[in-house]
Amino acid sequence: QVQLVQSGAEVKKPGASVKVSCKASGYTFTGYYMHWVRQAPGQGLEWMGWINPNSGGTNYAQKFQGRVTMTRDTSISTAYMELSRLRSDDTAVYYCARDPENSGSYCDYWGQGTLVTVSS
Amino acid sequence: QSVLTQPPSVSEAPRQRVTISCSGSSSNIGNNAVNWYQQLPGKAPKLLIYYDDLLPSGVSDRFSGSKSGTSASLAISGLQSEDEADYYCAAWDDSLNGGVFGGGTKLTVL
Repeated sequence: QVQLVQSGAEVKKPGASVKVSCKASGYTFTGYYMHWVRQAPGQGLEWMGWINPNSGGTNYAQKFQGRVTMTRDTSISTAYMELSRLRSDDTAVYYCARDPENSGSYCDYWGQGTLVTVSS
Repeated sequence: QSVLTQPPSVSEAPRQRVTISCSGSSSNIGNNAVNWYQQLPGKAPKLLIYYDDLLPSGVSDRFSGSKSGTSASLAISGLQSEDEADYYCAAWDDSLNGGVFGGGTKLTVL
C-alpha cells in the first residue's frame, strides 16, 4: 500500500534552515510528482511546489522562490523540502503529497505532516 | 487571502444535506479540475473528490461534487457526526502556474 512517511518535528531559530524528508513506499517513487503543502496553526492549506522525482525538475510557488529547495534521493525513495531564512510565520505543519497524474491536478496520498516551529 | 473563496463555516443537523461552495476565476476553476479534501482534526488532508465530481475508491457516495463556470460545490447528504471536519477546495491556477486552495470550510453537525 502507498505510504508517505515524513521526518519528525523540528524547532528552529529565525534565520536558520530546515530540511524535511518524505519517504515513499508501496509504489514506484520516480513515477509520480511529489507536492509540498503547508498549514500554519489554525490556518488553511498553502501549496509550496512540486518535484519530479524522475528528472529532479521542480516548480515552486512564487512566494517561496529563492527560499525553498526540493530535492530527492531515488536510491532511498525519499523527497526533501528545504526552507531557508526561516521566519516566525514559517511555523507550520508541512505535508508531502503524491500527484498520481503528474499534472498538478490533485494529490491522492499525503504524508502525516511535520511540524516546524520557528522561535527564538 | 485565498485565491479560491469558501464560506468559513456551515452547519446542519444529522441526516440532512449540506453544500459548500467554492468560487474562483477563469484561470483556475474555469479552466481546470476542482478537487476537494477533507481534513479531520489533527490529521492530514484526505482526497474526497477529484476532477470536479469523481469519488476516489473508498469514499462514501454521500459525498458529491459539481462545477459550473468558475464555481464549484461539494454536497454531503445524510450528515453524520463523523463528517465534522474542515473541507478545502483546490485547483491548478494557470496564471500563477501553481496550485491554489480555498480558505477552508468548517462543517459542524448540530
